[in-house]
Amino acid sequence: DSGVTQTPKHLITATGQRVTLRCSPRSGDLSVYWYQQSLDQGLQFLIQYYNGEERAKGNILERFSAQQFPDLHSELNLSSLELGDSALYFCASSVRVWFGDTQYFGPGTRLTVL
Amino acid sequence: SQELEQSPQSLIVQEGKNLTINCTSSKTLYGLYWYKQKYGEGLIFLMMLQKGGEEKSHEKITAKLDEKKQQSSLHITASQPSHAGIYLCGADIEGGGSQGNLIFGKGTKLSVKP
Repeated sequence: DSGVTQTPKHLITATGQRVTLRCSPRSGDLSVYWYQQSLDQGLQFLIQYYNGEERAKGNILERFSAQQFPDLHSELNLSSLELGDSALYFCASSVRVWFGDTQYFGPGTRLTVL
Repeated sequence: SQELEQSPQSLIVQEGKNLTINCTSSKTLYGLYWYKQKYGEGLIFLMMLQKGGEEKSHEKITAKLDEKKQQSSLHITASQPSHAGIYLCGADIEGGGSQGNLIFGKGTKLSVKP
């Protein structure tokens, strides 16, 4: 158990809908990262927040947005969902802002768009 | 073509044998990350290499970075069934302190026969 929790574990929704994925980092970790893993694209880094502020942005679509709240939990919002958004979404956390810091991954949220 | 190539794509070894997985970049490496993923589970961050010639170990797993070859190798000594999984490499190919350009290989699937 990494100490990072993600909810929900599974999510099935329809095209065009909007969903919110939630991540609670390990106690004491200030940095949160979001990744997407799909069969087509493999693993992709989406975005990083550190202590409430966006610090790095990867291949995140404009339809996707994220935020980190004062209690350090983070949410990833996916809107106007398409079939291709079906994937496993991972959240990770680390103490520092530096990517080389050990990142602890959550179990992921499996999103299926029908 | 793939910017980050992993080889081999899959590997089956007898328990107790040593093995090596390679990760080669078509661009300059500013940071190289190794992860492990158990089937159907989350990711485990193994280590990050930043400087040419750098070598790090995590239990019986050692990784080296060859900056000139733009390549990293992951070596497992005396493999055990617990080493089975998918090994992924990730790389920062832009540098400049921005981690938004993190890319990933397709992974190497390792099976260890008892």
